Amino acid sequence: DGGITQSPKYLFRKEGQNVTLSCEQNLNHDAMYWYRQDPGQGLRLIYYSQIVNDFQKGDIAEGYSVSREKKESFPLTVTSAQKNPTAFYLCASSRLLSATEIYGYTFGSGTRLTVV
Amino acid sequence: AQKVTQAQTEISVVEKEDVTLDCVYETRDTTYYLFWYKQPPSGELVFLIRRNSFDEQNEISGRYSWNFQKSTSSFNFTITASQVVDSAVYFCALSEGDTNAGKSTFGDGTTLTVKP
Repeated sequence: DGGITQSPKYLFRKEGQNVTLSCEQNLNHDAMYWYRQDPGQGLRLIYYSQIVNDFQKGDIAEGYSVSREKKESFPLTVTSAQKNPTAFYLCASSRLLSATEIYGYTFGSGTRLTVV
Repeated sequence: AQKVTQAQTEISVVEKEDVTLDCVYETRDTTYYLFWYKQPPSGELVFLIRRNSFDEQNEISGRYSWNFQKSTSSFNFTITASQVVDSAVYFCALSEGDTNAGKSTFGDGTTLTVKP
C-alpha cells in the first residue's frame, strides 16, 4: 500500500544534540512538507520541497534543516539551535496539479520529539 | 497574508446530534484552495475535502457536508447524526493560488467529542 512512513514514532533528544527525523513516501508525490504541531495549536510549516534538490523555508525554519536528495525522501534535522524542539512533527506529501495547486496532503503518522 | 480562524476550540455533542464546525479564512488572492482534515486520537491527519475558490457548490459525502460561502469567507463543515467515531480534532486549511508547491496555512483546530 502506498503511503508515508515517519520514523521513529518517539524520539528523545538531549540538550545540544542534533537529531534527524525520517520521512519516506512511495506515492510518487512531487511535493513534501514538514509541519510542527504544539498542544492545542494548529500546524506550522517548517520546510517544504517541490522537486528534488530544492526546498524552501516555511514560517518557522530557524533551528531546522532538510535535504531532498531523492523524490521519496525528505528528512528533517532538528539542530541544537532550535531552543524549544519538544513537539509533534508531521511529514506530508501531495500530488501537484500545477506549480501552485495541490490535490490535498497525505500525512505520515508523526514523530513525537521530547527534549530530556 | 493568509489566515484561517476556527473560533470553536472544543465542541461536545451527544451521539446522533448534528454539529457544525466553523472555518473563516482571509486571503487577498482570487485563486485559492480550502481543505478539511481530521486528526483522530492516533495523531495521523486524514484528508477529507478540497474546494477551489471558483466552485461554491456545497458538497455532501455521506453524513458529511461542506458549505462554502465566499461572501462571508467561510467554509463550514457539518456532521449529520454524529457518531462516537467522529470524535477527533478537525482542521481547516488554506492554500493560496500564487504560492509555490501548495503550502498550506492551518487553523488551530476544533476538538469534537461525541458522547454515546
